[in-house]
Amino acid sequence: GAGVSQTPSNKVTEKGKYVELRCDPISGHTALYWYRQSLGQGPEFLIYFQGTGAADDSGLPNDRFFAVRPEGSVSTLKIQRTERGDSAVYLCASSLSARETQYFGPGTRLLVL
Amino acid sequence: AQSVTQPDIHITVSEGASLELRCNYSYGATPYLFWYVQSPGQGLQLLLKYFSGDTLVQGIKGFEAEFKRSQSSFNLRKPSVHWSDAAEYFCAVGGTGNQFYFGTGTSLTVIP
Repeated sequence: GAGVSQTPSNKVTEKGKYVELRCDPISGHTALYWYRQSLGQGPEFLIYFQGTGAADDSGLPNDRFFAVRPEGSVSTLKIQRTERGDSAVYLCASSLSARETQYFGPGTRLLVL
Repeated sequence: AQSVTQPDIHITVSEGASLELRCNYSYGATPYLFWYVQSPGQGLQLLLKYFSGDTLVQGIKGFEAEFKRSQSSFNLRKPSVHWSDAAEYFCAVGGTGNQFYFGTGTSLTVIP
């Protein structure tokens, strides 16, 4: 079946701009996660959704970052007033439920100039 | 706090040689343990996982890993490496929370 998809695959923006990154999880997966992977590092947790609600947003670095999942399927990660330090690959993962195997999308590579 | 250490940043092996990638974790209870592989431009692909039971787990592509509680380790092994195994390998631990904690990865180069 279809895996996790993310769009766009690449995004170049200018410092101070607003960006939205989209994640389409595997059908039927209730849990959805966002991670950020900087160069040479492993993925770092940002936020976890169970259904429509953000069950754990402890990894969001500051209030410029926000994510939604209004219908319990597709999720959007939103970054306001982007900074050069936000440049990274943003990964989305989904799982059948919490604490199950997470399946990852290909990521969105964000470059802030 | 949960954490994962992958001591080897980069490993080079000859094709056909055996491979062992090290992973040490820090977690108070029995963790969920995973190995993922990431090829350039690709997403993370699950190789294998340990939740409970037999401490030697088999995965895809001929990989296996052994959970050793006494050493807090979950090392990945393969008896004979293929050139297509060249990639970045990540160990991850999940626990009572909902997130995974990833190591910094080990980059594998395979030489002919």
